[in-house]
Amino acid sequence: QAVLTQPSSLSALPGASASLTCTLRSGLNLGMYKIYWYQQKPGSPPHYLLTYKSDSENHQASGVPSRFSGSKDASANAGTLLISGLQSEDEAVYYCMIWHNSAVVFGGGTKLAVL
Amino acid sequence: DVQLVESGGGLVKSGGSLRLSCAASGFSFRTFTMSWLRQAPGKALEWVASISGSSSYIYYADSVKGRFAISRDNTDNSLSLQMNSLRAEDAAVYYCARDYNHDYWGHGTLVTVSS
Repeated sequence: QAVLTQPSSLSALPGASASLTCTLRSGLNLGMYKIYWYQQKPGSPPHYLLTYKSDSENHQASGVPSRFSGSKDASANAGTLLISGLQSEDEAVYYCMIWHNSAVVFGGGTKLAVL
Repeated sequence: DVQLVESGGGLVKSGGSLRLSCAASGFSFRTFTMSWLRQAPGKALEWVASISGSSSYIYYADSVKGRFAISRDNTDNSLSLQMNSLRAEDAAVYYCARDYNHDYWGHGTLVTVSS
């Protein structure tokens, strides 16, 4: 079982909200991890969006709109990137990441289509 | 402004070696952990290695341990990745990135491995 699992694709309408999940492998304690989120558009390097560990320990990258936010769902053992007020420019692949046992682990990425 | 510029990529035969470099500017290089990450065409992001500011801590992905070596020179603000015994599966765009959260990325350098 992969350390981080992301759905491969998601689609949503302009103006709607999209919730992108990043599920930790069973047995890993969600509360112990900072979850990092990145956006990548075709032909460009990844762009750091935010870090979320808790409501009191989180960081928004400079210039990232507040309609991008992070959260956790303990019942699902998952981190979530919520994008509200979707715009066509939000169409991209989104990756989650954690540091685990002195190594960096990425999820497989979710391709978000804004239809 | 923070800038990271990778160089050194190219075509190499399987079993060969290549040395990548990353020139950093616009920040206090010596105080930041730096990393190499890669992305094969159409694939997800993959972490390769990280090195702390003083080079005291170095971490590698299992897939490259024993073949790749990360290093840095804080006098000329540069990060390097020596890649030996290259395999087909090492072919990718290689990025350098700043800090634990990879808040800044270079545009990458392409490594192609031929058989």
